[in-house]
Amino acid sequence: SQTIHQWPATLVQPVGSPLSLECTVEGTSNPNLYWYRQAAGRGLQLLFYSVGIGQISSEVPQNLSASRPQDRQFILSSKKLLLSDSGFYLCACLSREGGTEAFFGQGTRLTVV
Amino acid sequence: GENVEQHPSTLSVQEGDSAVIKCTYSDSASNYFPWYKQELGKRPQLIIDIRSNVGEKKDQRIAVTLNKTAKHFSLHITETQPEDSAVYFCAASKGGFKTIFGAGTRLFVKA
Repeated sequence: SQTIHQWPATLVQPVGSPLSLECTVEGTSNPNLYWYRQAAGRGLQLLFYSVGIGQISSEVPQNLSASRPQDRQFILSSKKLLLSDSGFYLCACLSREGGTEAFFGQGTRLTVV
Repeated sequence: GENVEQHPSTLSVQEGDSAVIKCTYSDSASNYFPWYKQELGKRPQLIIDIRSNVGEKKDQRIAVTLNKTAKHFSLHITETQPEDSAVYFCAASKGGFKTIFGAGTRLFVKA
C-alpha cells in the first residue's frame, strides 16, 4: 500500500525567508501528486497538482511554487514567505493503479512570523 | 472552474442523534465522491465513497446518497458517538483525478 512521507511536521519561519517542504511517496509508481493548504478552521484548498515528472499545474495564483524532480517526490517552495502563507500544508497522492482514494501525508504546520 | 459547496459549516448534535452533511458540485463530469474525516491536527482519512453509477452506499452507521441530476450528495451518520466529533470533508473528482474538496463541516457530538 502507499505511504506518504512529508516533512517537516512543524515549521516557524520569518517573513521574507525561503520555504521548502518535501513529500515522498512509496508503494506506487507514477502517481498523481497534490499540494493542499488548510487555513485555520477552513477547508482544503488545492494549490498544485502533478501528473508526472516536471509537470506542474497551479490552481491559484500565489507566492508559492512546486516542483517534481522525481517520480515520487513533490516539493513545495517559496522564495519569500508572507504572513498569509501560514497554514497547514498537506501532500496527497493518488495511485494510477486503479485507486481513487487520495492518501495524505501527515501535514506541515507552517507559521510565518 | 470546479467547485464543491458544503453545508453546514458547523453541526452540533446530541449523542445518539443523526447527523447529515450536504454537498453540491458544479462539474457534471464528476464521477467519484469521497468523504474524509479529519481529527484535530491530523491528516484527512477516507471514511466512505460513492461512484456516480450508484445512488446510495452504506457502511455500518455511515451512509452516503448521491443525486446526479441535482448534483447533490450527502453524508448521514446515525447513532452518533463522541468519537465521531471531527471535521468532515466532501469531495468530487473525475475518476479521482484532481479531487476538489468542500470547505468542511465541524461536527460536535455532545455526550
